Order: sequence, then C-alpha cells, then structure tokens
Amino acid sequence: GESVGLHLPTLSVQEGDNSIINCAYSNSASDYFIWYKQESGKGPQFIIDIRSNMDKRQGQRVTVLLNKTVKHLSLQIAATQPGDSAVYFCADLDNDYKLSFGAGTTVTVRA
Amino acid sequence: DVKVTQSSRYLVKRTGEKVFLECVQDMDHENMFWYRQDPGLGLRLIYFSYDVKMKEKGDIPEGYSVSREKKERFSLILESASTNQTSMYLCASSQGLAGVPTGELFFGEGSRLTVL
Repeated sequence: GESVGLHLPTLSVQEGDNSIINCAYSNSASDYFIWYKQESGKGPQFIIDIRSNMDKRQGQRVTVLLNKTVKHLSLQIAATQPGDSAVYFCADLDNDYKLSFGAGTTVTVRA
Repeated sequence: DVKVTQSSRYLVKRTGEKVFLECVQDMDHENMFWYRQDPGLGLRLIYFSYDVKMKEKGDIPEGYSVSREKKERFSLILESASTNQTSMYLCASSQGLAGVPTGELFFGEGSRLTVL
C-alpha cells in the first residue's frame, strides 16, 4: 500500500512567490525520501533527496525539509517560475528498496 | 544525455489482445522498473528487475508479466488486455548494485495504453 501521501492535490502560486508542497509518510522506518517533478507529457524527473539523518537539504532554488517527529516532508521552491508548473511527487524507499510514490500535487504558476 | 526509451507513446488495443511494451535504457543501469500512473493514484510499481533474467513483483503485478533478456531492455507484457489496464505506463532505470538501488530513477516519457 501507499506509504507516502500528499496533503493537497493542487496548488496555485503567483509567479515570484515561494511554493511549499507537503507530504506525509506513515512508515517510521523510512529513511530515504525523494522528490520528483513531472512536466506535461514527460516522465518524472528527480529533483532532490534527503536521508533521515538530515533535517534539511538545499538544491538550486529548492529546499527539502524533513520532520521525523511528525513524519512530514516538504518541498519548498523559491521564486516560483512558470517552468515550475508540473506535478510533484514525494517518494520513499521501503525496506525492499522499492520506491513508493504519493499521489502527486499539481502546481500551477499564475503570471 | 542519458535516456530511457519506450517504444510506443500511444497504443490502442482490444480486450483480450496480448500487448508488449518495450523499454530500452542506454545508461548500463542494473535496475529497471515498470510503473503505471493513474489520476489520483500516483505511480504504482508493477514489476522490477535488478539484473538480467531477474524479476520481482511490485505492488500490482496481477495481469502483467515481464522479461529481461538483456541488461538494457525490460519488457512489460499484458497477456490478455482488459479495460482496467487502460493507463499510462512508465519505465524507469536506476544505478546500483543488485538489491540496493539508488532513489534516483530515470524515467521514459511513458506509453499511454487504451484498451477497448
């Protein structure tokens, strides 16, 4: 069954604002989490990952935060651009080394 | 550029037909995966393979089989297609030693299958 889930299926953001996409997970033993971005007509693309020994990891314009106490994961996108419009998936690697994906959040950037 | 190529972007088949979905990767990855993607359900793992000739069931293997005769190629087979198998099918590959894949999957662009 699904071990990760997203809080909101859609998110509308003004261009230039910051975006926050949330995800909850249920397996306390999960120790590796990944965010993927899927643009229309394409396959998902890896954005950033984080291991459970970290609370925060930063990439280019993106930051992933991990709160193990409440089993919550978030992806923050700084200065959202039109090219950030996509479906975003969180995923965790289970004990059998399989990736389980959440249902996805569709982000729409308003001009 | 690394690439995962799925042979067909769009297919229309009839109920009961045998369907082959082909996937080829050029990155020499050990691990290959087949997912299906449905609205509101995210990506669900059908089958995966950590090595040539090896296959493991994912979360929803019923109605599907796979073949991995060569390292670069992973085929998904629907022995007798049914309407509830209408979906987007995504192939992916990843690096790693057998049994310990990384979380970074490289996906193909998908094959949209419609079963009438």
